[in-house]
Amino acid sequence: ETGVTQSPTHLIKTRGQQVTLRCSSQSGHNTVSWYQQALGQGPQFIFQYYREEENGRGNFPPRFSGLQFPNYSSELNVNALELDDSALYLCASSLGTGMTLSGNTIYFGEGSWLTVV
Amino acid sequence: SQKIEQNSEALNIQEGKTATLTCNYTNYSPAYLQWYRQDPGRGPVFLLLIRENEKEKRKERLKVTFDTTLKQSLFHITASQPADSATYLCALEGYGGSQGNLIFGKGTKLSVKP
Repeated sequence: ETGVTQSPTHLIKTRGQQVTLRCSSQSGHNTVSWYQQALGQGPQFIFQYYREEENGRGNFPPRFSGLQFPNYSSELNVNALELDDSALYLCASSLGTGMTLSGNTIYFGEGSWLTVV
Repeated sequence: SQKIEQNSEALNIQEGKTATLTCNYTNYSPAYLQWYRQDPGRGPVFLLLIRENEKEKRKERLKVTFDTTLKQSLFHITASQPADSATYLCALEGYGGSQGNLIFGKGTKLSVKP
């Protein structure tokens, strides 16, 4: 087990609705990154939060937003859901914003499966 | 734009043989290249990291090579077992502002037959 927990594990939403996904990072980790993984594809970087501030964003529209809380847990919010948003959403936690020379392992949660109908 | 390709979508081998997976990239100069294992319906699990100035890294039955001239990494599993069956993802990480932004390939699904 990685110590990274995500909820909910599965959910179904209707096009146009909004969704909030949650992530509890591994104890001691101050950085959370979110990824979207469509079926048959590799994960795609959405954004990263470091000490409650956004620290990098991938090629996703503004309707994808996030938060990180003082305890370093995080939320991913997606507004105006589209059919193409159907995917596995992965949260990854780490100590620090990237791999350091000492080797900063990134731990992924099991993901939240979102289906938009 | 940056592109990362894994040589095949699927690789089938016999138990005991060495599995070799390939990762090629273009238009990028990564600081690190990483390999992950992903089982169906699960999140990726970190396996190995190799830095740009390293040629080879080993961990138990796993070996990774990194050729920054060819822009290619090879991932080997020796004495493969059915339990090694999974999808293997390679990922690149850059410097500075792109730290933490992992660029993943689509993955190669490895099946090891008994």
